Amino acid sequence: DGGITQSPKYLFRKEGQNVTLSCEQNLNHDAMYWYRQDPGQGLRLIYYSQIVNDFQKGDIAEGYSVSREKKESFPLTVTSAQKNPTAFYLCASTLGDQRRGYTFGSGTRLTVV
Amino acid sequence: GQNIDQPTEMTATEGAIVQINCTYQTSGFNGLFWYQQHAGEAPTFLSYNVLDGLEEKGRFSSFLSRSKGYSYLLLKELQMKDSASYLCAHSVADYKLSFGAGTTVTVRA
Repeated sequence: DGGITQSPKYLFRKEGQNVTLSCEQNLNHDAMYWYRQDPGQGLRLIYYSQIVNDFQKGDIAEGYSVSREKKESFPLTVTSAQKNPTAFYLCASTLGDQRRGYTFGSGTRLTVV
Repeated sequence: GQNIDQPTEMTATEGAIVQINCTYQTSGFNGLFWYQQHAGEAPTFLSYNVLDGLEEKGRFSSFLSRSKGYSYLLLKELQMKDSASYLCAHSVADYKLSFGAGTTVTVRA
């Protein structure tokens, strides 16, 4: 079955470290997105990519970086410049048919220790 | 992002009906989505409205009024498994979604 896979499910980061969150999809979707979810807040867009080798900043891109070298993969790096990285990170993809909405991955919970 | 407002919490009894309201800014509107999210899990797609009116899917229905910047999600015949957070999202350019903070629905026996 097709789907979108995020790994790891839980991740712990020490102060000053960079960490990379994986997002892989086999749905043949062109567009992929990274959102961050904090308690009591809506999902906030970090970065998105509509096509391979191209991506755009979302509303809260500072302290994050991405790459889109393959259609299937859209990894997110949380850098040491991100001052408050503890959150639930969700990756999503879409074919571009709005009637079907996004397909989300199961999320990665990142905690700074 | 676009301002999207929805109530923080709602409680209802098993078998009852609950209506979750959502208001949004109308500029650049490309569609209104509802997602369900159980604690610690990924959101799952419930509905999409782009035209005014009511869309019905089994026990769940979604309504849209574009002129008023208003939508609601109606959950009928509530079941315990419907206890979850319900996210209203507004579609803007480039298929980006702007989400509300979510409404936590608690279903009591």
